[in-house]
Amino acid sequence: DVKVTQSSRYLVKRTGEKVFLECVQDMDHENMFWYRQDPGLGLRLIYFSYDVKMKEKGDIPEGYSVSREKKERFSLILESASTNQTSMYLCASSLRGLGESGELFFGEGSRLTVL
Amino acid sequence: GEDVEQSLFLSVREGDSSVINCTYTDSSSTYLYWYKQEPGAGLQLLTYIFSNMDMKQDQRLTVLLNKKDKHLSLRIADTQTGDSAIYFCAENRSGTYKYIFGTGTRLKVLA
Repeated sequence: DVKVTQSSRYLVKRTGEKVFLECVQDMDHENMFWYRQDPGLGLRLIYFSYDVKMKEKGDIPEGYSVSREKKERFSLILESASTNQTSMYLCASSLRGLGESGELFFGEGSRLTVL
Repeated sequence: GEDVEQSLFLSVREGDSSVINCTYTDSSSTYLYWYKQEPGAGLQLLTYIFSNMDMKQDQRLTVLLNKKDKHLSLRIADTQTGDSAIYFCAENRSGTYKYIFGTGTRLKVLA
């Protein structure tokens, strides 16, 4: 069974703390993504990575950074958490080549609350 | 604009058909998707349609694509309480890794 695993389902942090959200996939996918989900706004792309050590900014990268040292792992880092980063964070991966539909496989999400 | 638009809520009675609508933005999008999110979970792909198709049927699900109007719909026949979830449409911009998601439609199925 293919799997995208997010290490923390629920986190509560204080303003100014550094936060790490970890994501691991076991499907040997090249592409990995971090989205945040907020009610009424759908999913917004923070960063994505198409290969090890490669990353590109999405639509809302401000206040976030990412790390992809190994193909299976993609980490989202909040250097100094703020209350407006309280949200649900979703990691996804995909295999994209000729003929592939580009289906995204999602983790179960990490709900972050910043106090 | 950049937005993929969906209505926020839909309520249907068990056994009826549900139709969830979506207006997307880019006529060159290659694939259009419907994802389902159950409470407390991530998104799972329900179905997708390639842009050169008008319709796709998969058991209780029917997807209709109107490229002229950039309109995508998902019909669920014989809706069950287990279909209660949030449904997202998404488009994939040709030649990019970019997926644009709609706001999601919360479907509530009444017994």
